[in-house]
Amino acid sequence: GQSLEQPSEVTAVEGAIVQINCTYQTSGFYGLSWYQQHDGGAPTFLSYNGLDGLEETGRFSSFLSRSDSYGYLLLQELQMKDSASYFCAVRLNTGFQKLVFGTGTRLLVSP
Amino acid sequence: ETGVTQSPTHLIKTRGQQVTLRCSSQSGHNTVSWYQQALGQGPQFIFQYYREEENGRGNFPPRFSGLQFPNYSSELNVNALELDDSALYLCASSNPGLADYEQYFGPGTRLTVT
Repeated sequence: GQSLEQPSEVTAVEGAIVQINCTYQTSGFYGLSWYQQHDGGAPTFLSYNGLDGLEETGRFSSFLSRSDSYGYLLLQELQMKDSASYFCAVRLNTGFQKLVFGTGTRLLVSP
Repeated sequence: ETGVTQSPTHLIKTRGQQVTLRCSSQSGHNTVSWYQQALGQGPQFIFQYYREEENGRGNFPPRFSGLQFPNYSSELNVNALELDDSALYLCASSNPGLADYEQYFGPGTRLTVT
């Protein structure tokens, strides 16, 4: 089976840096994606790690360690609009693009 | 470039009924995946369609079925609705020839089964 673990909730203040961790146990691991979802909205793609290391996209960075089955999403210079749920999702090497999502981390950014 | 659209936005059905949800993929995307998202949970993969054929399925019973049309739009059909089918149903489109790890999600259809 497949399992992903994330913290259920993280709180931070504007301007701060927050890290959301994701550990996974899967077979056929291909890569790790991160999605953001605001309440009532659609998940939107943030970042993808197919190889070990750090990927940086503006204020957001994502890291992957295949040997540790671990990744994280780093959000810098937090803004109120970053309050949302963040999902890590494993892309499986099944011959088609199957994503297995974690249960999500709710980020609350306060003034 | 139009994004992924879904219809209807909300739907209320009675247990035992059947429902059809619709999805139009983003322009240029030939792959559509469907997900079920229960409240407070992550999306769960239902199945994926590529060039009008189902090419992958998650752990959902056969009463969940789908179609993809030549224009790559798609339908999700659920028969014999159960109370536990109440959820947000998301479709996502992608193009295996491009950044195939990036899926573009529609706004979803909120299904309530009473």
